[in-house]
Amino acid sequence: EAGVTQFPSHSVIEKGQTVTLRCDPISGHDNLYWYRRVMGKEIKFLLHFVKESKQDESGMPNNRFLAERTGGTYSTLKVQPAELEDSGVYFCASSGQSNQPQHFGDGTRLSIL
Amino acid sequence: SQKIEQNSEALNIQEGKTATLTCNYTNYSPAYLQWYRQDPGRGPVFLLLIRENEKEKRKERLKVTFDTTLKQSLFHITASQPADSATYLCALGGYNFNKFYFGSGTKLNVKP
Repeated sequence: EAGVTQFPSHSVIEKGQTVTLRCDPISGHDNLYWYRRVMGKEIKFLLHFVKESKQDESGMPNNRFLAERTGGTYSTLKVQPAELEDSGVYFCASSGQSNQPQHFGDGTRLSIL
Repeated sequence: SQKIEQNSEALNIQEGKTATLTCNYTNYSPAYLQWYRQDPGRGPVFLLLIRENEKEKRKERLKVTFDTTLKQSLFHITASQPADSATYLCALGGYNFNKFYFGSGTKLNVKP
C-alpha cells in the first residue's frame, strides 16, 4: 500500500507570502496528524483530525496557520502570512485507529527568507 | 510540562554488538511509548509500540523495555549492523491517543 505522501517536498518563500502544504494519508486512515520540527528542536505536535473533524489543535502556534481536511481524505496546512520562525520541516502522519502506530510522510521542508 | 530526554550525543558501537538507547521522561504519565527510526531527509519510521502495562516488547533484533517507576524506556538492537545507523526517536502518548511528545533523538553509528 502507498504510504503517507506530502507535497511539496521543499518550499522556499519570502516572508509575508502564503504557502499551502498538502498531505495524503494512507488510504482508509481516519486519523491524520500534523507535526513540525524547527531547527535543532524535537518534533512537535500541531493538530489531529479524525476524518474531517479537528480533534485536537492545541499545538497550532497561532492563527496564521490553518489546517483543513475536507471530505476526510487529504489535508492541507496553510501558512498566511509566513514569518521567518515558521521555517522547519512539517510532517504529516496517519493511523487507522487512534490507538495504532502513526505512519509518517517524509515531510515538507519549508524555508522562509 | 512534560520533558523527554534522549542522549543527544551520538552512540558509536562496533558491528555485531548490542546498541542500547535510553529515553527518560518527567512530568508525564504516558499510556504508551513508541520508538521510531529516522534517516536524513526522511520521515520517522515506526518500529515498536509498548503500552504502560507491558514490561518488554520484542521484534526480530529489536527489544524495548518500559519502566513506569523509573520513567524510562530502553531500546536495544542486538547484533547491530552498519545499516542500523540512523537517528532513533522515542515518542510518548497519553490515554486519548491523540498526539505524541517526541524526544530529540539519539544518533546511532554502527561501525563495520
